[in-house]
Amino acid sequence: AQRVTQPEKLLSVFKGAPVELKCNYSYSGSPELFWYVQYSRQRLQLLLRHISRESIKGFTADLNKGETSFHLKKPFAQEEDSAMYYCALRTGFQKLVFGTGTRLLVSP
Amino acid sequence: DVKVTQSSRYLVKRTGEKVFLECVQDMDHENMFWYRQDPGLGLRLIYFSYDVKMKEKGDIPEGYSVSREKKERFSLILESASTNQTSMYLCASSQTDSNYGYTFGSGTRLTVV
Repeated sequence: AQRVTQPEKLLSVFKGAPVELKCNYSYSGSPELFWYVQYSRQRLQLLLRHISRESIKGFTADLNKGETSFHLKKPFAQEEDSAMYYCALRTGFQKLVFGTGTRLLVSP
Repeated sequence: DVKVTQSSRYLVKRTGEKVFLECVQDMDHENMFWYRQDPGLGLRLIYFSYDVKMKEKGDIPEGYSVSREKKERFSLILESASTNQTSMYLCASSQTDSNYGYTFGSGTRLTVV
């Protein structure tokens, strides 16, 4: 079955602390993974694609096929990083399966 | 530079009403999607379309239908609204030969009373 698991509903950290939002997936094919972010009162937007191996707003994510994970990391959290984060898996023909989301709260 | 537009930000409808949610994209994308977003459940796919007049059921199509008469417009229809359809509805579009994932609309928060 195709599934994306985000085990944490809420992650609360202090400004400057490292952040890791966990994402695990279940998929028999070759996975394509994404991270989407939704800031307060804004639309859901693409943050990262695993295929591009890029760093956006200081965030990185590495696909680990052995552990079937795609965790999102940032070494030093900022208050403006507070948002809802969704991990998503493309399952074929453009369909995305989303996780349940993790709310990141960065306190001053 | 809004690219995916959902016609209503907030809607309040009565149980049993027929409800239309409209979504328009101006990026000439082939694929369009309707999701509902609920706390603790994430985004769940209702229906999607990969071409005009084509539609496919997603994971939770019961109680919904869709219409895609033009490439840029994808409508979600609640045939007889029920209180358990109170939710945030998100429309998205994508290009078939792209690795950029989806572009989302700002959402329609529907309350059924």
